Amino acid sequence: NAGVMQNPRHLVRRRGQEARLRCSPMKGHSHVYWYRQLPEEGLKFMVYLQKENIIDESGMPKERFSAEFPKEGPSILRIQQVVRGDSAAYFCASSPPPRVNTEAFFGQGTRLTVV
Amino acid sequence: QQPVQSPQAVILREGEDAVINCSSSKALYSVHWYRQKHGEAPVFLMILLKGGEQKGHDKISASFNEKKQQSSLYLTASQLSYSGTYFCGTEPGGSEKLVFGKGTKLTVNP
Repeated sequence: NAGVMQNPRHLVRRRGQEARLRCSPMKGHSHVYWYRQLPEEGLKFMVYLQKENIIDESGMPKERFSAEFPKEGPSILRIQQVVRGDSAAYFCASSPPPRVNTEAFFGQGTRLTVV
Repeated sequence: QQPVQSPQAVILREGEDAVINCSSSKALYSVHWYRQKHGEAPVFLMILLKGGEQKGHDKISASFNEKKQQSSLYLTASQLSYSGTYFCGTEPGGSEKLVFGKGTKLTVNP
């Protein structure tokens, strides 16, 4: 049973370009979280999704950021018109339903560098 | 809603003990503990549920005081492999949103 797969592992974008980060949850998991982590800092919650549904996006910046988790395929975190401040490690985690009180499994993360 | 962890950093010699605390201003239904090594993904350690027992495996255990809305992680006879940053995660008010504290950096030296 493969773990949570994130790709790419490293992504370099120029300012103003778009970044697309992918997360394939573990088999049987229908819930996905996205977190952002700056160097030497904690895991900042961004968004929580269920298949075809955004449950909580209170941690997402209002502009340029969006997330989806379609019925088929991976969850996508999309950052439009990237700026230097978007450089960070982005982790996704997945869990089985129901979400409350169950373990979340993390992917290896995508390191985004904006130049 | 973010839980508060203390201390921010701990430096130990191999074999010493450490306690990491996690507290919340919101009612807690569960507390999750993870460890992250530099450049790697967070790894699940344990989950404590409201009304549940103290959990542990090997020399790492944790407690959960529901009334005080606090949890503590106990590392006894620390090993070099315990080094890393420890995060507690909570689901405030059973909201299904797993929110993490800022982490406690543990360094175990020989």
